[in-house]
Amino acid sequence: DTAVSQTPKYLVTQMGNDKSIKCEQNLGHDTMYWYKQDSKKFLKIMFSYNNKELIINETVPNRFSPKSPDKAHLNLHINSLELGDSAVYFCASSLLPAEKLFFGSGTQLSVL
Amino acid sequence: AQTVTQSQPEMSVQEAETVTLSCTYDTSESNYYLFWYKQPPSRQMILVIRQEAYKQQNATENRFSVNFQKAAKSFSLKISDSQLGDTAMYFCAFMKPNTGNQFYFGTGTSLTVIP
Repeated sequence: DTAVSQTPKYLVTQMGNDKSIKCEQNLGHDTMYWYKQDSKKFLKIMFSYNNKELIINETVPNRFSPKSPDKAHLNLHINSLELGDSAVYFCASSLLPAEKLFFGSGTQLSVL
Repeated sequence: AQTVTQSQPEMSVQEAETVTLSCTYDTSESNYYLFWYKQPPSRQMILVIRQEAYKQQNATENRFSVNFQKAAKSFSLKISDSQLGDTAMYFCAFMKPNTGNQFYFGTGTSLTVIP
């Protein structure tokens, strides 16, 4: 069974559209994250949730809105997509305090 | 903010040889964790090795070992007996506990193992 699963793996969409990426973990972890990996492979934290509460919210446009319905799920909704949003988005989870991050397989978002 | 620096954007090594990837970090903390993650072409992020700063002994995992120099804030990864499957991006990461588990990643080193 996949520990951290995110869907879809690939997402191609037009500028201005709204899209969502879903993430689920079955590890019983209490902390979940969204990371963005740009075209130069740089990984940057976007959000972190602990037990459904937002604990890290980096400088991210408010077009990005995370939602955590329960501690096993953390979804990312993006409004009014822009060309610069094209990247790979990774979901991850960990215990708190963390021993390590468990990553999903990533969602490659392409905005045309 | 913590910073993690990987000064080698690209490296290559012959199969079966040994290669060392460099990583330095900047922090004023005494308690923290350091990691090396591997990202093969499949895109999956895989933990290679983890080091706790309060442990003086260098971590090892099979062919992977680290040289942790706390005073110098250096955390290099040594890969012995390189295999073709080691071809990947390697990311060094720093995590300070009790800050919401925020992980800081370096810019990565692209390693190619040559047959």
